[in-house]
Order: sequence, then structure tokens, then C-alpha cells
Amino acid sequence: NAGVTQTPKFQVLKTGQSMTLQCAQDMNHEYMSWYRQDPGMGLRLIHYSVGAGITDQGEVPNGYNVSRSTTEDFPLRLLSAAPSQTSVYFCASAPRVPWPGTYEQYFGPGTRLTVT
Amino acid sequence: KNQVEQSPQSLIILEGKNCTLQCNYTVSPFSNLRWYKQDTGRGPVSLTIMTFSENTKSNGRYTATLDADTKQSSLHITASQLSDSASYICVVSEGNTPLVFGKGTRLSVIA
Repeated sequence: NAGVTQTPKFQVLKTGQSMTLQCAQDMNHEYMSWYRQDPGMGLRLIHYSVGAGITDQGEVPNGYNVSRSTTEDFPLRLLSAAPSQTSVYFCASAPRVPWPGTYEQYFGPGTRLTVT
Repeated sequence: KNQVEQSPQSLIILEGKNCTLQCNYTVSPFSNLRWYKQDTGRGPVSLTIMTFSENTKSNGRYTATLDADTKQSSLHITASQLSDSASYICVVSEGNTPLVFGKGTRLSVIA
């Protein structure tokens, strides 16, 4: 199993450009999520999905769109990139929603995004 | 308001020494607490998950403790190795809302 994969590893965008961060998992997990990690801050949840066709907002959803058309894939779209979106983005998956239970959450390797 | 506070922010220890990282939380109701290890440039990897009924849980040289009454947890690393250099993140589940992440403790193990 490849686990959780993310592409690209690095990306530089100009303000106003759009792009999609890809995330895929091969563990047949129902739950998938996107986090951003900024220096001096904990991981913050952007959007999550509890199954194909179902998405919900996390703590910091503004400026990001998601969709879940298959169990395996959960892309994150930036419609008009802003410098404030410069961050490291992590995708994670779990067999089921990891709260309030104890389902293990598996993280991808991350995408480092810079918006100039 | 940060509901999960970790200390220290950073720590440097000599290889072979032990260390203890602290996590205090204020989330309520409490469901479970997790510790993750994050190597530089990588995603977090789970070390342990503890429910309110568990006081101690070990994973190799890592031992986590939990005191649900005082809302404190610690992660003890025994006989540290250079490969233990990483950030250690405490994560708390407060029931039917998403997980709350601490800012992490940056551990550097030097020879």
C-alpha cells in the first residue's frame, strides 16, 4: 500500500492564480481531510469528508474548495491564491471519522505552497 | 484560545538521555488524547492514542501518561536516539468536534 499520497511536493504560485492540490489514499478509508501547518501554529483543519459526496468545513475553510467524487481522492482547490495561503498542506485519512472515537489518522507527506 | 498547550516549545538533549514532554488541555468533554511524531519535512505519524480510562501507554521507548482529572499528559522518551529528533504534537478529541492540535515541542537530540 502507498498509504496517503500528495502531489505536488512543492508549488509556487502568483497571487490570483488557481491550482489544485491532489490527495489520494489506497486504504479504502471513509474519512479524508486537509490541514494547513504554519510556523508557530498547530495543524488547522481546512475541510474534511466522511465519505464520497459528503464534505464539511473545518476551522479555516475560506479560500479553499473541496469535493469527494470517489473514496480514494480528495483534491483541494485554491480558486484565487493569496500570500496568506503560503503554508504546508497535509492530507490525512482514517477508516472512519477520528472523533470522538480512536480511529487512527494517517497523514500524507505534505505539499509546500508559496504564494508570491 | 489555544485549548492544548505544550511545553517546552523546544528542547535539546544529549543522545542516550531521557526526556519528558508536557501537554495540558482544557477541552471538554474529553474523549481521547494522541501523541504524534513529525520528522522535518514529513507528515505526522501516530505514536499513541489514550482514552480517559488509560493512565499509561507505551510504544517502544515512548511512554505516554494521562491524568484526566488534572487534564495533563506527558510523553517520556527513554534512552534517546538521534532519530528521535522531531516535533512531538499533542492532539485532543473533545467529543463530536474535530481534533484540537497543540503547537508541538521541537526535540533535538545531539551526539
